[in-house]
Order: sequence, then structure tokens, then C-alpha cells
Amino acid sequence: AQTVTQSQPEMSVQEAETVTLSCTYDTSESNYYLFWYKQPPSRQMILVIRQEAYKQQNATENRFSVNFQKAAKSFSLKISDSQLGDTAMYFCAVKETSGSRLTFGEGTQLTVNP
Amino acid sequence: DSGVTQTPKHLITATGQRVTLRCSPRSGDLSVYWYQQSLDQGLQFLIQYYNGEERAKGNILERFSAQQFPDLHSELNLSSLELGDSALYFCASSVGITGSTDTQYFGPGTRLTVL
Repeated sequence: AQTVTQSQPEMSVQEAETVTLSCTYDTSESNYYLFWYKQPPSRQMILVIRQEAYKQQNATENRFSVNFQKAAKSFSLKISDSQLGDTAMYFCAVKETSGSRLTFGEGTQLTVNP
Repeated sequence: DSGVTQTPKHLITATGQRVTLRCSPRSGDLSVYWYQQSLDQGLQFLIQYYNGEERAKGNILERFSAQQFPDLHSELNLSSLELGDSALYFCASSVGITGSTDTQYFGPGTRLTVL
């Protein structure tokens, strides 16, 4: 079974600064995918970034990047130049290649302060 | 806008009743997933359909059922509703089952309130 742990229930950051959200996971498979989704106050689930476990290069999407440490089963999200619109709940998720379900962590509520 | 649509946005009903939640996947997506987000259990996978067939089951109660129709839209049926069924129900879709195309895109959700 796959599990995901997000140890930071809440975080805050000043606008324009950088913040890192932590995520650890466990899976018995060697092939899997990792995701970060954000859920703003509108409650919509929005894909932020995706990482294939077989790729050593860390994924980047504009101001969002990940630090993927496969051996440590760690998948942190770095947000650079934080904006007010980044205020949201952020969920880390894992999906094994052999399966179809996403397993989510408990989420981290990020608040960007002006 | 993810391209996944869900109706209705809000649903208020009484205990013991039955409701149907509807989802239309993104154009070209064959897989539909249902998730439940509640305060006490977080985001939980319920069930997946691929091209009309059930492919995976998660923590779905026996009172709940789903189906995917030939036009690929899906419905989640919740019956004998209890207070604890109050939650946000998400539908997600993806192109296929495995591979890099399997990223799931979520609809806006249906908020169900059982009184």
C-alpha cells in the first residue's frame, strides 16, 4: 500500500519570498508518479507539478520546482517569488504505475502574506 | 478550467435519501475517477472506470455505486444517505491507465450536505 505524509499542517510566507513544503511517501513499487496539487479557497483541485520516479532530474514549472530524493522517499515543493494567489491547501500525492488511484497526504495550508 | 465538469455544484438532502452526482471527463479522456474529500478522512479514492468498465475500487461503501456510460460521462449514486456522507465529491479524468498520460485532472467538485 502507498502512503503519503505531510508533516506541516500550516505554513506562511511573505510575498515574493521562497517557501518549501515537505512530503514523504512510501510505496513498494519502483515505478510511480508523484504530484503536487493545490486547492485554493474555491476548492478546485489544480495540478501544480508532476514527477516521474524514474527521472533523476527534478521537475520545474515556472516558479514551482521539486526536490525529489528517491532513496529518502522525499518529494518537497519549492515555491519561488510567492504570490498572494499561491495561498491554498497543497496536497502531495503518489500513484503507482501498476495502479490507478492517487493517494494523498493530509495537506499543508499555505498562506502568503502581503 | 480543467475541462472536467461536474453537476450539481451543491446538493442538500436529508438522511435516507438517494442522490446522483454527474461528471463529464475532458475531451479524449477515457478514465474517470471519483474521490471523496471529508474533514475527518481527507481525500479518499472511491472508484475508477475506464471506457465503460470498472477498473479499480477504493474505500467505496456498498451504499454507493457508479457507472460510466457509452458517451464516457459518469454518475456516482449515493443511497441511504447518512450525516457522515456529507463531503466534497470530486471527479477526475485522465487519458488512459498507465504511463505519463495518466495525470488526473479534477473537476470543480459537488458539495453534498446531508441534513
